[in-house]
Amino acid sequence: DADVTQTPRNRITKTGKRIMLECSQTKGHDRMYWYRQDPGLGLRLIYYSFDVKDINKGEISDGYSVSRQAQAKFSLSLESAIPNQTALYFCATSDSRAGGYNEQFFGPGTRLTVL
Amino acid sequence: QKEVEQNSGPLSVPEGAIASLNCTYSDRGSQSFFWYRQYSGKSPELIMSIYSNGDKEDGRFTAQLNKASQYVSLLIRDSQPSDSATYLCAVRSGGTSYGKLTFGQGTILTVHP
Repeated sequence: DADVTQTPRNRITKTGKRIMLECSQTKGHDRMYWYRQDPGLGLRLIYYSFDVKDINKGEISDGYSVSRQAQAKFSLSLESAIPNQTALYFCATSDSRAGGYNEQFFGPGTRLTVL
Repeated sequence: QKEVEQNSGPLSVPEGAIASLNCTYSDRGSQSFFWYRQYSGKSPELIMSIYSNGDKEDGRFTAQLNKASQYVSLLIRDSQPSDSATYLCAVRSGGTSYGKLTFGQGTILTVHP
């Protein structure tokens, strides 16, 4: 089945460490997104990419960077992790050719803990 | 004012009842509206999409959209304990933010036997 995968699924790291979260998809979608979810705050957009050469900041991009290595791969990096980046991170994809809905489909998530 | 607002709940309904989940949004240019279901510790799962005023039905789920009132709702008929989850409302605006979704904080639904 066409799918969205995220690695790692769980990660515990220490303050100041660099960490990369990876997302891959076999859906053939052109658009990819990174969100974080915190209790009571819903899903907040970190970065999004409409194609390999188009990367944009979301509402909470400070402290994060991304790389779109290929249409199917979108990585999120924390250059120097801090405890308030402890959260559940989701990758999502959508297909701009799918018409008006442009529905987004989510990966299974990465639970990140920064000590 | 938050861009997308939901009552955080929890909303508790008995099995077999109708659960009604509500969402309001602030951007009149919003074009598409989505409901996601999220079980604890899992990823959001898309259950309904709507972009025209009125009702859209899919099985036990009905999405209702009223653009004039900037209001979208989700009805779940014959609620089952397996429907217990957090329901997220998401709104896609037009213009330069095309493709981006803004999410509400979610409503926790509990269906008790």
